[in-house]
Amino acid sequence: DTAVSQTPKYLVTQMGNDKSIKCEQNLGHDTMYWYKQDSKKFLKIMFSYNNKELIINETVPNRFSPKSPDKAHLNLHINSLELGDSAVYFCASSQGLAGDTDTQYFGPGTRLTVL
Amino acid sequence: AQSVSQHNHHVILSEAASLELGCNYSYGGTVNLFWYVQYPGQHLQLLLKYFSGDPLVKGIKGFEAEFIKSKFSFNLRKPSVQWSDTAEYFCAVNARVTDKLIFGTGTRLQVFP
Repeated sequence: DTAVSQTPKYLVTQMGNDKSIKCEQNLGHDTMYWYKQDSKKFLKIMFSYNNKELIINETVPNRFSPKSPDKAHLNLHINSLELGDSAVYFCASSQGLAGDTDTQYFGPGTRLTVL
Repeated sequence: AQSVSQHNHHVILSEAASLELGCNYSYGGTVNLFWYVQYPGQHLQLLLKYFSGDPLVKGIKGFEAEFIKSKFSFNLRKPSVQWSDTAEYFCAVNARVTDKLIFGTGTRLQVFP
């Protein structure tokens, strides 16, 4: 059973396109996150949602728009893709908020390549 | 602002060697501490975590870490590494008063048979 799943695993697209990445967790968690891992493997939080409500928006360009239709899903839509958006995007979830004594569980990642 | 430093960027060891990876953080309040591992081509997996209590924490696959509050450190150790430990290791910290998990820049460990 996959706890946190993401689709697609790989995404190759042209500059200027719009694309979406989907994330689902079956852990019954209340909080979900999106992280970006750059080419140097540095991981940085982008967004977090708790019970479908936006908690963290970490100065991400507004071309990135997360959407949480329900607690178990957090999708990431990216408009007008740029070369610098190429990265691995990880979804994660936790029972409570990041400041609580909870562990975050990560999905397998989506490798986005913008040509 | 919170930050996490991992001083060893790339570590190369032979099998059976002992491992210690450094992690220091900058925050004076109460923190939660984590070590995650990312095997080649895979997602992050939790190795171990510290919330409170005994500062020596044991994790999966023979790893342990020690929280030294006075040094703001949470170093990862393993007495005898295996080839299968080859991976990227990330230290992560969150302050109880924030909602963010801050990651270090990672340490790439290569173990040769």
